[in-house]
Amino acid sequence: AQRVTQPEKLLSVFKGAPVELKCNYSYSGSPELFWYVQYSRQRLQLLLRHISRESIKGFTADLNKGETSFHLKKPFAQEEDSAMYYCALTRGAQKLVFGQGTRLTINP
Amino acid sequence: DTGVSQDPRHKITKRGQNVTFRCDPISEHNRLYWYRQTLGQGPEFLTYFQNEAQLEKSRLLSDRFSAERPKGSFSTLEIQRTEQGDSAMYLCASSPRVVSGELFFGEGSRLTVL
Repeated sequence: AQRVTQPEKLLSVFKGAPVELKCNYSYSGSPELFWYVQYSRQRLQLLLRHISRESIKGFTADLNKGETSFHLKKPFAQEEDSAMYYCALTRGAQKLVFGQGTRLTINP
Repeated sequence: DTGVSQDPRHKITKRGQNVTFRCDPISEHNRLYWYRQTLGQGPEFLTYFQNEAQLEKSRLLSDRFSAERPKGSFSTLEIQRTEQGDSAMYLCASSPRVVSGELFFGEGSRLTVL
């Protein structure tokens, strides 16, 4: 069965500090992994996908198949990064399965 | 096009009543998804359509729930004989078929069952 686990419900860091949001998954094949973000009073939206190997708003995420992880990282947090972050997986353009989410708070 | 729109945004109903939510996807998107989200949880998959065909329905979904997309454009999600446990945010999303995993979400319809 497909499962996404985000072990931290809440994460609080100071502005300028590094950020790492953890995501682990279980899937029998080769999934596609994503990070979605929801800012206050906004819609859930795609932040980045592993297949693109891109950096969006300073965030990167590396797929580690050995550890079945897809952690989201940013070297220097900014206050506007405060939001809910969801890790998600899919395979072959089918349904997207989400983790429980991590609420990130950046303190000034 | 202003993106995915959902109606109503809020619905308060009494236990046992039926409710219907509507979703209008982005016009050129042929995939449409319904998710449910409760407090402190991530979005939980309910069902999805490709054009008018319902391709998958969650096994967790009771038979009180039904979704349609009759002409491959807008979709409706109906909940019959609502229960207090149905209280949640119901999210609709659409995507172009060729792009895997990139869903465009609506603002959601919040249901409160008294």
